[in-house]
Amino acid sequence: KQEVTQIPAALSVPEGENLVLNCSFTDSAIYNLQWFRQDPGKGLTSLLLIQSSQREQTSGRLNASLDKSSGRSTLYIAASQPGDSATYLCAVLTYGNKLVFGAGTILRVKS
Amino acid sequence: EAGVTQFPSHSVIEKGQTVTLRCDPISGHDNLYWYRRVMGKEIKFLLHFVKESKQDESGMPNNRFLAERTGGTYSTLKVQPAELEDSGVYFCASSQVRGDPISPYGYTFGSGTRLTVV
Repeated sequence: KQEVTQIPAALSVPEGENLVLNCSFTDSAIYNLQWFRQDPGKGLTSLLLIQSSQREQTSGRLNASLDKSSGRSTLYIAASQPGDSATYLCAVLTYGNKLVFGAGTILRVKS
Repeated sequence: EAGVTQFPSHSVIEKGQTVTLRCDPISGHDNLYWYRRVMGKEIKFLLHFVKESKQDESGMPNNRFLAERTGGTYSTLKVQPAELEDSGVYFCASSQVRGDPISPYGYTFGSGTRLTVV
């Protein structure tokens, strides 16, 4: 059974700091891994999607890596801003065509 | 391109009542999924439609939940009768089929319906 764990559960950093969010999964049999952002009371916004054959994806200040063999992914946020404050969710797409989510990391960037 | 639309955005009902949630996927997306997040837990899979057919409903918690997708367009999720533990946020997502229906390109989620059963 696939399980996804995200560390840390919460993170508070000063504005401008670079930070790393971690995601691990127990079964390497995945199609892809997706990072989402959720703002309070809002839906899920897809940030980055990494196919199982890829190692990383970049979008602006965000960079996500994937090491499928070790079951790990990281989301790197450069030069954090208060607007980055949100819950960040990691999810893997299983061969059963289901997304399995982690519990999320609550990020607060202080100005 | 319009995104995935869900309504209502919020619903407060009494235990024992019926509630119907609706999801309009992105036009042309054959795959439609329902997920939910109950208090303090991770987001969990409920079911998956391919067009109008239920591909996988293994995540449906019990027979009080009924999902339909008329004509392969919008979908409804009915809870009847609602119980307190059904409270949570219900998300709908859709994705394109890119040749291989088992490997969608990526999911686009709606804003969710926050259901509160009192």
